[in-house]
Amino acid sequence: NAGVTQTPKFQVLKTGQSMTLQCAQDMNHNSMYWYRQDPGMGLRLIYYSASEGTTDKGEVPNGYNVSRLNKREFSLRLESAAPSQTSVYFCASMAKNIQYFGAGTRLSVL
Amino acid sequence: QKEVEQNSGPLSVPEGAIASLNCTYSDRGSQSFFWYRQYSGKSPELIMFIYSNGDKEDGRFTAQLNKASQYVSLLIRDSQPSDSATYLCAPGGDYKLSFGAGTTVTVRA
Repeated sequence: NAGVTQTPKFQVLKTGQSMTLQCAQDMNHNSMYWYRQDPGMGLRLIYYSASEGTTDKGEVPNGYNVSRLNKREFSLRLESAAPSQTSVYFCASMAKNIQYFGAGTRLSVL
Repeated sequence: QKEVEQNSGPLSVPEGAIASLNCTYSDRGSQSFFWYRQYSGKSPELIMFIYSNGDKEDGRFTAQLNKASQYVSLLIRDSQPSDSATYLCAPGGDYKLSFGAGTTVTVRA
């Protein structure tokens, strides 16, 4: 089993460009999450989806949108990237309160 | 006040010593508590969870929970160089975890 798969692993964008980060899990989990991690800030929740068809804002949702495409897939979209969105992005799925993380996407916005 | 506060690091301990990590949280409704380990450049992985007051031991790791004081700790006994990582405390809530900023531990040989 692959667990939680994120693509791409690295990305460089110019200010104003858009992109979508993809996440898929093969563990049949209902809940999925998007976090960003900045130095000294820990993991901050951007959006989450408690179940297929639902999404909710987390701590830092501004500048992002999400789509829960089906039970397996949860994508994160940056419509107009800004340098402040330079970060490492982690997707996670959860079962029995235990979260399983993808390998992360390292995003730089110039 | 942040939801989750962890003792500031970095924490440097000699090999074989005990590393003590502390975490306080503000949400009195939290019922479950998780410790994740994150190696540099990698994603977090779960190492311990605890639901009840008291101690829970798993190998060289012991988690301690005091709900009345809103305090959870992690002890790493007989620290090894492979324990060098950042440790994240995460109280659980409805569908969500709140992560602390993490404490970086360095075990020196």
